[in-house]
Amino acid sequence: NAGVTQTPKFQVLKTGQSMTLQCAQDMNHNSMYWYRQDPGMGLRLIYYSASEGTTDKGEVPNGYNVSRLNKREFSLRLESAAPSQTSVYFCASSAGTKSYNEQFFGPGTRLTVL
Amino acid sequence: GQQVMQIPQYQHVQEGEDFTTYCNSSTTLSNIQWYKQRPGGHPVFLIQLVKSGEVKKQKRLTFQFGEAKKNSSLHITATQTTDVGTYFCAGPYNFNKFYFGSGTKLNVKP
Repeated sequence: NAGVTQTPKFQVLKTGQSMTLQCAQDMNHNSMYWYRQDPGMGLRLIYYSASEGTTDKGEVPNGYNVSRLNKREFSLRLESAAPSQTSVYFCASSAGTKSYNEQFFGPGTRLTVL
Repeated sequence: GQQVMQIPQYQHVQEGEDFTTYCNSSTTLSNIQWYKQRPGGHPVFLIQLVKSGEVKKQKRLTFQFGEAKKNSSLHITATQTTDVGTYFCAGPYNFNKFYFGSGTKLNVKP
């Protein structure tokens, strides 16, 4: 089992460029998450998906879109990247049953926007 | 909205000393989770506390959930260099979405 995988590991973009961060999990989890991590600010939730085909905004959704096309995959898209989106992006998943469950994190994508 | 505050931001200790990090929420939490992130790594789940006043131990780590379910702490006894990393608490809001604390970065000098 690979757990949660993310691609790419590193990315450098110019302002205005677009890109999609990919995430996949092989644990048959219902819930998936996208977080960004900035120095001194912990992890902030961008978007959340409770199940295939459903998504919900988190704390900092502006400038991002997500897609949960199937149970395994949850992608994050930056349509027009800005320097303020320079960050480390983590995808996570959890079983997401009626009780709150531990989140399993991917290795992260380090994104720099110039 | 509900947020989770965590202190201190940094802690430098000599190996063998104890370490504590604290989490506070402005509202009652249904549960609280703790994660550890090694330098350059990703967060890894440590534990979840659910009951008021709950205390759980994992070897040298002791986790507490306050009686009012608004605060929590993680205490490490006799730190080792393997304890180096950032410790985060996370509290849920709106079903399965979480607020993470800003983290406490622990450095252990051998």
